[in-house]
Amino acid sequence: QSALTQPASVSGSPGQSITISCTGTSSDVGGYNYVSWYQQHPGKAPKLMIYEVSNRPSGVPDRFSGSKSGNTASLTISGLQAEDEADYYCSSYTSSSTVFGGGTKLTVL
Amino acid sequence: EVQLVESGGGLVKPGGSLRLSCAASGFTFSSYSMNWVRQAPGKGLEWVSSISSSSSYIYYADSVKGRFTISRDNAKNSLYLQMNSLRAEDTAVYYCHSSGWTPRYYFDYWGQGTLVTVSS
Repeated sequence: QSALTQPASVSGSPGQSITISCTGTSSDVGGYNYVSWYQQHPGKAPKLMIYEVSNRPSGVPDRFSGSKSGNTASLTISGLQAEDEADYYCSSYTSSSTVFGGGTKLTVL
Repeated sequence: EVQLVESGGGLVKPGGSLRLSCAASGFTFSSYSMNWVRQAPGKGLEWVSSISSSSSYIYYADSVKGRFTISRDNAKNSLYLQMNSLRAEDTAVYYCHSSGWTPRYYFDYWGQGTLVTVSS
């Protein structure tokens, strides 16, 4: 039940694109197509942005996209906007648990 | 409208116990697995425990195994977390969470969280 590995922080200017990586193992990220990405603003509950690796819930802008290669999943945000500044967490189901990444703080410069 | 409303948090001394509740409404609670996820102050999300729709399958994080017990009452649309032998490192906001597929769409619901503080 080790946490997935994310960069502690990323930054980008408005309009730019950024990618957040999420590295696990063959027992979690690499073994299942059940990777989700959450956005969390301070004091708020997490909000689902991507589910099952690359699917966007209704209402999430198509600027948000997800992918996976091997044991590493990625969240890409294109056309950065000020309101995208938040903490982002990946998660993956395993056979008997859910594991989260340590979180990435996105700063929009 | 879907609602998950947690309650039962508060200040407790190390070694003490607390029971969290989560009242669900607006979706077919009895059909879906439920989870507890916590977040220590200034830290990331940590999965705590999951329970299947009929309580047949229950899982715990290693950090709480043997101390916490998850349960549900489908007749009352409620989820519970009994927390015993509490430690300072259990201090966190505890969220009630569920996700899954309806016939039409994928859902992901979170409560507003309830704060548990373990301190002498």
